[in-house]
Amino acid sequence: AQKVTQAQTEISVVEKEDVTLDCVYETRDTTYYLFWYKQPPSGELVFLIRRNSFDEQNEISGRYSWNFQKSTSSFNFTITASQVVDSAVYFCALNDYKLSFGAGTTVTVRA
Amino acid sequence: GAGVSQSPRYKVAKRGQDVALRCDPISGHVSLFWYQQALGQGPEFLTYFQNEAQLDKSGLPSDRFFAERPEGSVSTLKIQRTQQEDSAVYLCASSKREGQETQYFGPGTRLLVL
Repeated sequence: AQKVTQAQTEISVVEKEDVTLDCVYETRDTTYYLFWYKQPPSGELVFLIRRNSFDEQNEISGRYSWNFQKSTSSFNFTITASQVVDSAVYFCALNDYKLSFGAGTTVTVRA
Repeated sequence: GAGVSQSPRYKVAKRGQDVALRCDPISGHVSLFWYQQALGQGPEFLTYFQNEAQLDKSGLPSDRFFAERPEGSVSTLKIQRTQQEDSAVYLCASSKREGQETQYFGPGTRLLVL
């Protein structure tokens, strides 16, 4: 069975601080994909990043970066220099064709 | 291009009433998914279509829930004899192909059963 754990329920930061969101997953599959989605107050889930299990290279895309470590089954996500518009619920998800989501982390960025 | 659209955006139903929720996926997307999101929780998988074939309905919580995609594009999720515990946001997602593709979500339908 697939399982995703986001231990942080809420994070509150002041604008321009960095925010790191933790995600730990469980799967028996050898090939899988991991995702981060953002859900702003409007409610729509917005795709952010996708990473496959056979590529552990960490990347940066604008203010977003991620750290994938297969050995510890972790897929952490960082927002650099946070902005008020980053305030949202962030979900980590594991895909074996259907998505298994974590419970989400609510990020509040204060001006 | 147009994203996934869902209608209605909000639905209030009296307990025992039947409801139908519609999803228009991104044009040409083969796969379509329905998820249920309770307040303060992550979305939970309900069912999956590949074109018009419903390949997985393991997440449907009871036989009151029924989904269809007769022509392989628009999908309808129907809930019969609604109960208060059915109150949730129902999210539809589509992806270009089958398998572990990126899923793009619609805005959801917020269902409140009184």
